[in-house]
Amino acid sequence: GENVEQHPSTLSVQEGDSAVIKCTYSDSASNYFPWYKQELGKRPQLIIDIRSNVGEKKDQRIAVTLNKTAKHFSLHITETQPEDSAVYFCAADSNYQLIWGAGTKLIIKP
Amino acid sequence: EAGVAQSPRYKIIEKRQSVAFWCNPISGHATLYWYQQILGQGPKLLIQFQNNGVVDDSQLPKDRFSAERLKGVDSTLKIQPAKLEDSAVYLCASSSLGPFANTEAFFGQGTRLTVV
Repeated sequence: GENVEQHPSTLSVQEGDSAVIKCTYSDSASNYFPWYKQELGKRPQLIIDIRSNVGEKKDQRIAVTLNKTAKHFSLHITETQPEDSAVYFCAADSNYQLIWGAGTKLIIKP
Repeated sequence: EAGVAQSPRYKIIEKRQSVAFWCNPISGHATLYWYQQILGQGPKLLIQFQNNGVVDDSQLPKDRFSAERLKGVDSTLKIQPAKLEDSAVYLCASSSLGPFANTEAFFGQGTRLTVV
């Protein structure tokens, strides 16, 4: 079945710097790759997603890139701010369900 | 629009007791998911409904967990009997399209279950 690996598990960056989180997946049939943000004690919320017919997608300070050949996709956050502190999850669709990565805890240092 | 509603928010029970969680999805959303999120891990799908039919329940421990979605709207998830390892946050989510999991899922606040 599908396996989604996410790295790093924890990422600490200086406020204003960029953050990059990477995920790999195993199911070549996967076509949908969302990223969810979960603040402490809150529900996961979609921040950006990408489909397999697109290589890159941007929304203000966040962007996602997809390499279908290599089966990996990445989340890029530029000009990080304190409110970006959270756990970020990547996921990939496979057989009618989303397979989730283990999460990356992003810490923004003042 | 109103979000996904879940209740209760917190529940503490002793092992071997029973517990039930309730979810009301966003109006009009055909697909409903129940996830289990253990502290420090990503959500794990327990069961996925399309209207009142089950799309996937392959990871539902059927000897103790059950779920239903009567009339294709509200859903309940039950654990009977509970074990210590069932301590987790149980998240309900819904999406407007389906059954393919290729559209945004909206999550409820979750129910934090502690089994002692």
